[in-house]
Amino acid sequence: AQTVTQSQPEMSVQEAETVTLSCTYDTSESDYYLFWYKQPPSRQMILVIRQEAYKQQNATENRFSVNFQKAAKSFSLKISDSQLGDAAMYFCAYRGYGGATNKLIFGTGTLLAVQP
Amino acid sequence: KAGVTQTPRYLIKTRGQQVTLSCSPISGHRSVSWYQQTPGQGLQFLFEYFSETQRNKGNFPGRFSGRQFSNSRSEMNVSTLELGDSALYLCASSARSDGISYEQYFGPGTRLTVT
Repeated sequence: AQTVTQSQPEMSVQEAETVTLSCTYDTSESDYYLFWYKQPPSRQMILVIRQEAYKQQNATENRFSVNFQKAAKSFSLKISDSQLGDAAMYFCAYRGYGGATNKLIFGTGTLLAVQP
Repeated sequence: KAGVTQTPRYLIKTRGQQVTLSCSPISGHRSVSWYQQTPGQGLQFLFEYFSETQRNKGNFPGRFSGRQFSNSRSEMNVSTLELGDSALYLCASSARSDGISYEQYFGPGTRLTVT
């Protein structure tokens, strides 16, 4: 079975600084998707960024980028120029490529605080 | 496009009662998944529906059930509520397309409190 591990329960960053959130996963599949979701206090999950395992190039979305290391099964999220609005719970999630399912497997989350 | 909507947003029920939660996906999305979020267990997959058929089911007791209608709207039902069923129930929809990457879009959730 696939598992997702986020070893940092809480992180803190100064406004305008850069922070990296860690995620590791375990799977025997060769094709899959990885995601970072943000859940602010409003509780609505928002997709931050996604990565297809077959793509070697790391995904980037504005201030958010990932470091995808397939062999190491590592998928970290870097937030540059942190803003107060980035404060939220961040979840790493895995989805298999096949199997006719959209089932996401989530990590336990990292609570990010942004200090002004 | 309007986002995923869930009703009701908040619900308080008593042990032993049953509850029905509703989810309307983004227009054009045919796949709906449900997740339970609790402080202790985190985010757990409940089930997924596509074209009115349950495609996948998580490890939850039979008290948890769901269905999807022809307009892709979905409902989940929990019978004989227990205190441990208190949670945020999230619904997500996706534009399912074989072989193409896609994401799930989440609704605001229904906060269920069982007393």
